[in-house]
Amino acid sequence: EAGVAQSPRYKIIEKRQSVAFWCNPISGHATLYWYQQILGQGPKLLIQFQNNGVVDDSQLPKDRFSAERLKGVDSTLKIQPAKLEDSAVYLCASKPLLSYEQYFGPGTRLTVT
Amino acid sequence: SQQGEEDPQALSIQEGENATMNCSYKTSINNLQWYRQNSGRGLVHLILIRSNEREKHSGRLRVTLDTSKKSSSLLITASRAADTASYFCATNSGNTPLVFGKGTRLSVIA
Repeated sequence: EAGVAQSPRYKIIEKRQSVAFWCNPISGHATLYWYQQILGQGPKLLIQFQNNGVVDDSQLPKDRFSAERLKGVDSTLKIQPAKLEDSAVYLCASKPLLSYEQYFGPGTRLTVT
Repeated sequence: SQQGEEDPQALSIQEGENATMNCSYKTSINNLQWYRQNSGRGLVHLILIRSNEREKHSGRLRVTLDTSKKSSSLLITASRAADTASYFCATNSGNTPLVFGKGTRLSVIA
């Protein structure tokens, strides 16, 4: 079974630039998550999708972050404009509808200079 | 806010020794999960324990849960160099999202 795919793996941008991350979840997983993990901390949920609908985006900084999962499969997370404090690893995870276990991708390490 | 708090923040042991990590949380939970994260990688689910369970085993892993103290522990027996990683506890409460702690960094020295 293929795992959760993410790209790119690394990205370096200057502040005020924009960036987009892509995630392809495990086939058949209805629920998809985007997390932000700052160095030395645990992942923090940004947004949760179930199929193509948003379940929870209460911690997403909506003035600069946006995410979509148009066809209920893969998803993109965008930051525009980026700030220095957005430097982090962005993790995508997915799970089947009736399971608690989440499957994580390798993450995208973003550095904002 | 992060509900789970792991203790210690860092742990260094010799190969073959046991490693114990603790997690405390603040509110009532449905279940508690432990994840492992190797350097530069995503998280891998290790084990889930439900709120009505007190102990669970999986291979060299043993997890306990004390809901009266709002705490859990993860024991890794006969540790190996490959167990070197960060370990996170994460809690599920009702319909709220999974909330992760800050993690314990385990170093197993060969």
